[in-house]
Amino acid sequence: SAVISQKPSRDICQRGTSLTIQCQVDSQVTMMFWYRQQPGQSLTLIATANQGSEATYESGFVIDKFPISRPNLTFSTLTVSNMSPEDSSIYLCSVVRDPETQYFGPGTRLLVL
Amino acid sequence: AQSVSQHNHHVILSEAASLELGCNYSYGGTVNLFWYVQYPGQHLQLLLKYFSGDPLVKGIKGFEAEFIKSKFSFNLRKPSVQWSDTAEYFCAVKKWGFQKLVFGTGTRLLVSP
Repeated sequence: SAVISQKPSRDICQRGTSLTIQCQVDSQVTMMFWYRQQPGQSLTLIATANQGSEATYESGFVIDKFPISRPNLTFSTLTVSNMSPEDSSIYLCSVVRDPETQYFGPGTRLLVL
Repeated sequence: AQSVSQHNHHVILSEAASLELGCNYSYGGTVNLFWYVQYPGQHLQLLLKYFSGDPLVKGIKGFEAEFIKSKFSFNLRKPSVQWSDTAEYFCAVKKWGFQKLVFGTGTRLLVSP
């Protein structure tokens, strides 16, 4: 498995502002993923973050809204930009281990007012 | 597009009852299949997975799942549930060789003591 931490664990933000979520893994991984879980819904993949290259975004998600950084093999950030109440969700990062199995962080619970 | 269906959105059982949660997927190629569980206040954890071989796979806490290729199904079972099994259960599928996970909508299980 993997030990994954996320910061912050939760936040309440005003519309129009931005929030950066951090994801830290206990050992080096090639691929990190960012998911969104909207209230009452399932998990949806936002993007895949590889170290040393641009993140790959899924349909419906764009870099201007969800910029991602991957400065090294144990860390990534996801920024939720220009937030609106519709961005209220749980945001989760995950990594691939042993083999081809994703393990998830504890999530960041975001409420936008 | 690949999709995953979980037909039971809410299930209520008494302790010692048997459990079966349905999961069907739409992709026709080789797939890897997963069940994840999210206990109240905790993060998403891997329950079990199927990659190849024996279609009946056993996971943690007495759970098992059966892959039936002809039915595109991967149903989760437990012969006798406990109060501590109260959680939300997610089925997830990915194409073999790819990393993108597609999740079902989840099933909330409530086990009454």
